[in-house]
Amino acid sequence: AQKVTQTQTSISVMEKTTVTMDCVYETQDSSYFLFWYKQTASGEIVFLIRQDSYKKENATVGHYSLNFQKPKSSIGLIITATQIEDSAVYFCAMRENNYAQGLTFGLGTRVSVFP
Amino acid sequence: DPKIIQKPKYLVAVTGSEKILICEQYLGHNAMYWYRQSAKKPLEFMFSYSYQKLMDNQTASSRFQPQSSKKNHLDLQITALKPDDSATYFCASSQDMGGRDEQYFGPGTRLTVL
Repeated sequence: AQKVTQTQTSISVMEKTTVTMDCVYETQDSSYFLFWYKQTASGEIVFLIRQDSYKKENATVGHYSLNFQKPKSSIGLIITATQIEDSAVYFCAMRENNYAQGLTFGLGTRVSVFP
Repeated sequence: DPKIIQKPKYLVAVTGSEKILICEQYLGHNAMYWYRQSAKKPLEFMFSYSYQKLMDNQTASSRFQPQSSKKNHLDLQITALKPDDSATYFCASSQDMGGRDEQYFGPGTRLTVL
């Protein structure tokens, strides 16, 4: 069975700095996909970035990048040059290569960015 | 224009009643999903549909019944409502059912059962 764990409940950072948040996962599959989403204060859930398990290169999209450490079953999210609007709850999620399943989510990390 | 519409935004129901949550997506996607978000619990996958066919059901209760009248519609009927059903229900869609296909979420319907 899949499991996703985010141990950091909340993080506070100053604007324009870098924030890093952790996520570890459990899976029996050799092929799987890892996602990060954010949930804004209005409740909107937004897809940010994806990492395919078979790719060694860390994914990067805009000011989001991933730190994928497959031997440790870890997928960290790094946000550089944070802005006030990056304040949100960030969810790590995974999906095995089973075409019918949905995403398995972690509990989320609340990020607060201060001016 | 919103690409995934969920109606209503808020819903209050009494215990034992029945409600239908509406979801329509205008992304041209072939797969749709329902998730539930309760307080202090992770977002929980409920159902997946592909080309209007049920692919996976992870809910333990038959009180939750998805209904797909068109490829871009996936409604959720909940019968015999209980206070524990209080949650925000999110509809999502993806291009196809592939594991790497990103899922896009609707704005949610917040259900309160009294």
